Amino acid sequence: NAGVTQTPKFRVLKTGQSMTLLCAQDMNHEYMYWYRQDPGMGLRLIHYSVGEGTTAKGEVPDGYNVSRLKKQNFLLGLESAAPSQTSVYFCASSQVGDRKTNTEAFFGQGTRLTVV
Amino acid sequence: AQKVTQAQTEISVVEKEDVTLDCVYETRDTTYYLFWYKQPPSGELVFLIRRNSFDEQNEISGRYSWNFQKSTSSFNFTITASQVVDSAVYFCALSERGEYGNKLVFGAGTILRVKS
Repeated sequence: NAGVTQTPKFRVLKTGQSMTLLCAQDMNHEYMYWYRQDPGMGLRLIHYSVGEGTTAKGEVPDGYNVSRLKKQNFLLGLESAAPSQTSVYFCASSQVGDRKTNTEAFFGQGTRLTVV
Repeated sequence: AQKVTQAQTEISVVEKEDVTLDCVYETRDTTYYLFWYKQPPSGELVFLIRRNSFDEQNEISGRYSWNFQKSTSSFNFTITASQVVDSAVYFCALSERGEYGNKLVFGAGTILRVKS
């Protein structure tokens, strides 16, 4: 099993450009998440999805949009990239466990994005 | 308000010392899960443990142990007889109910450096 796969692994963007990060999971998980990791800030939740067609804002959603048209895919879009969006982005997925709470999350390998 | 607080930004120990990583959380849910993840220098996120809110039994796995105390909202992680390979960033995380379902939020992480 591939688990959680992120595409691309590295990207350099110019300010104002747009791009989409793709996350794919093959574990039939209900929940999917996008995080960004910055030094000293830990993993901050950008958006998450509790099922196909449903998305919600996390802690730092501004400047990002997401879509989950298929259960296995969760897309993160940057419409107009800014240098402040330079970060490492992680996608994760998890299943609904006992008592409607999450099982552990499985993470992708990360995408290193630089905006110049 | 920060939901997961890891007050120790960085800890340095000498090999074979014991070390405890602190985690304090905040939630209004009565049912929630807590997690610890490890991020070695290679960058991937490795799941270590999950505890649910209705089970306060402490857990030991080899050199790792976890102390969950609801009374103090803490979920601390102890490594006994630390080794150089334990050097990593360790994250504590909380699964709590969001407006659209459960979301998983992380603390800022603790950098552990184990010196030989």
